[in-house]
Amino acid sequence: TQLLEQSPQFLSIQEGENLTVYCNSSSVFSSLQWYRQEPGEGPVLLVTVVTGGEVKKLKRLTFQFGDARKDSSLHITAAQPGDTGLYLCAGIIIQGAQKLVFGQGTRLTINP
Amino acid sequence: NAGVTQTPKFQVLKTGQSMTLQCAQDMNHEYMSWYRQDPGMGLRLIHYSVGAGITDQGEVPNGYNVSRSTTEDFPLRLLSAAPSQTSVYFCASSSWYGYTFGSGTRLTVV
Repeated sequence: TQLLEQSPQFLSIQEGENLTVYCNSSSVFSSLQWYRQEPGEGPVLLVTVVTGGEVKKLKRLTFQFGDARKDSSLHITAAQPGDTGLYLCAGIIIQGAQKLVFGQGTRLTINP
Repeated sequence: NAGVTQTPKFQVLKTGQSMTLQCAQDMNHEYMSWYRQDPGMGLRLIHYSVGAGITDQGEVPNGYNVSRSTTEDFPLRLLSAAPSQTSVYFCASSSWYGYTFGSGTRLTVV
């Protein structure tokens, strides 16, 4: 059973379209992170959201943390071919020590 | 460049063989961890360490051992490789800001 459910797992859209990726859980996280991973490389941190309801923007990418700190979304406006990649959400839980748990990932393809 | 270095990048093992995946970081982070990545599963935590001499199990620890004798190094040992351990392995170190991942080791067990 996945602690973080990410959807959709695959998404292929045309350049210029908008999209949203969702990350949901029944657990509360102290913070939520989004990563992007290129083939043959490790995940690279895009953003960390900490406060319930928090919204952060990174150029055309908008990240939101749910009010209850159980879910998050990534919205991309006017997608570009350069946005193609694997996007991973990950939540930090504190069980004694800190642990980072990942969703399954969303493989995004932007077609020119 | 500062970061997390993993070696080797690729490895093929026969069932039953042992090996050690190396991980080193030069950011003076106390927290380090190992993940495996399989298709459709995201990254799953194998073992983690909150500092030199302290390690603990993650979500999928069976078949793997770790030790942390220095802040910089956190090797992952496979004692007797099995085909189910075919995966891509990532080491990470972290601070309050976030996690930095290595570029991974692709391991195939035949």
